[in-house]
Amino acid sequence: GDSVTQMEGPVTLSEEAFLTINCTYTATGYPSLFWYVQYPGEGLQLLLKATKADDKGSNKGFEATYRKETTSFHLEKGSVQVSDSAVYFCALSPRGSTLGRLYFGRGTQLTVWP
Amino acid sequence: DTAVSQTPKYLVTQMGNDKSIKCEQNLGHDTMYWYKQDSKKFLKIMFSYNNKELIINETVPNRFSPKSPDKAHLNLHINSLELGDSAVYFCASSQVGTGGYEQYFGPGTRLTVT
Repeated sequence: GDSVTQMEGPVTLSEEAFLTINCTYTATGYPSLFWYVQYPGEGLQLLLKATKADDKGSNKGFEATYRKETTSFHLEKGSVQVSDSAVYFCALSPRGSTLGRLYFGRGTQLTVWP
Repeated sequence: DTAVSQTPKYLVTQMGNDKSIKCEQNLGHDTMYWYKQDSKKFLKIMFSYNNKELIINETVPNRFSPKSPDKAHLNLHINSLELGDSAVYFCASSQVGTGGYEQYFGPGTRLTVT
């Protein structure tokens, strides 16, 4: 079945450090892939997305590239800030689904220290 | 200009009580969802409605009953509350179509059962 596996946290970094959060997926065909971010006390917000192989999604300095050959969608940022502290979720939507269902990873807690 | 709103934001109640959470979206989307997020941030889908029709009904106790009076509203009623129901409940919406399925989340309702 469709599923997403992302690296377990928590991840703790100093300000301006490089961030990578790994995400791999299992799906039939070519799903759409997403990264969501949840700041403390808030709901999830879409951070970026990619809908086909080799697409790169980017937003707020974050990037992720849809890699069909490795079934991966790793999240990266070159220089994190304290304000990036949040929980990050990788998710997929199966191609052609009529339900609009998203399959989420378990989330990765990121804490950035000044 | 809130896209997806939920009420109440906090709900504290005793075991055995019945409570409801309301959700409204003003995005014109045709599909709405309820998720439960546990203390470890794991997100579990509970229900989904498309144009007022139930399309996803995960393994959820019968004490939980969703109701969609129109496609902009999806409410969640919980009977005979138990301690294990304590969690954050998120409503979300999306426009089910081609190439995306990104979901927009409400701010969440933190339910505490004592």
